[in-house]
Amino acid sequence: DTAVSQTPKYLVTQMGNDKSIKCEQNLGHDTMYWYKQDSKKFLKIMFSYNNKELIINETVPNRFSPKSPDKAHLNLHINSLELGDSAVYFCASSHASSVETQYFGPGTRLLVL
Amino acid sequence: LAKTTQPISMDSYEGQEVNITCSHNNIATNDYITWYQQFPSQGPRFIIQGYKTKVTNEVASLFIPADRKSSTLSLPRVSLSDTAVYYCLVGDKDNYGQNFVFGPGTRLSVLP
Repeated sequence: DTAVSQTPKYLVTQMGNDKSIKCEQNLGHDTMYWYKQDSKKFLKIMFSYNNKELIINETVPNRFSPKSPDKAHLNLHINSLELGDSAVYFCASSHASSVETQYFGPGTRLLVL
Repeated sequence: LAKTTQPISMDSYEGQEVNITCSHNNIATNDYITWYQQFPSQGPRFIIQGYKTKVTNEVASLFIPADRKSSTLSLPRVSLSDTAVYYCLVGDKDNYGQNFVFGPGTRLSVLP
């Protein structure tokens, strides 16, 4: 009965590879998000997405792209991975009318070697 | 975007009441104040949200003065399991959450 789930939990890969992280929510929410938490524990929003609109944080490189096959899923694709991409990536979801109340997944720990 | 300032860390003992204050001097009329809790190796968890005065739920209370330039999260009778990072966020509901910015948070350590 997990609300927001992410796979994989850990991801270790080489520089230059392309990888994806999957996110699913069973809360019936219409808005989903991706966040990056770096080694200093700062949590930064990357994308906000609902069935109408994708909002991209201007600091996110275009190597990162979200893909939503349906309202319950928002996957994160990363091309040409770099060392600086190493971080914990969190998926979250909410109702569009309550963006301040977000439900987070457990995180995916990405290590780029 | 409204900027928030919180203490970097706090220590407390089990059974005590803990108050964490957040400053947000440039809060806008449409902004809400939200607090999240994050345990190690987990995603943040919503605790409480308010606009003005006082809000209380089963986990915490949130005190907001009339000028709304600060807010205080109050945790009654903390236990060891309340050791976590607590984030204060201020933002409006527009732009699909992009206006809610997580700061560095306050690292609360509850000691036995």
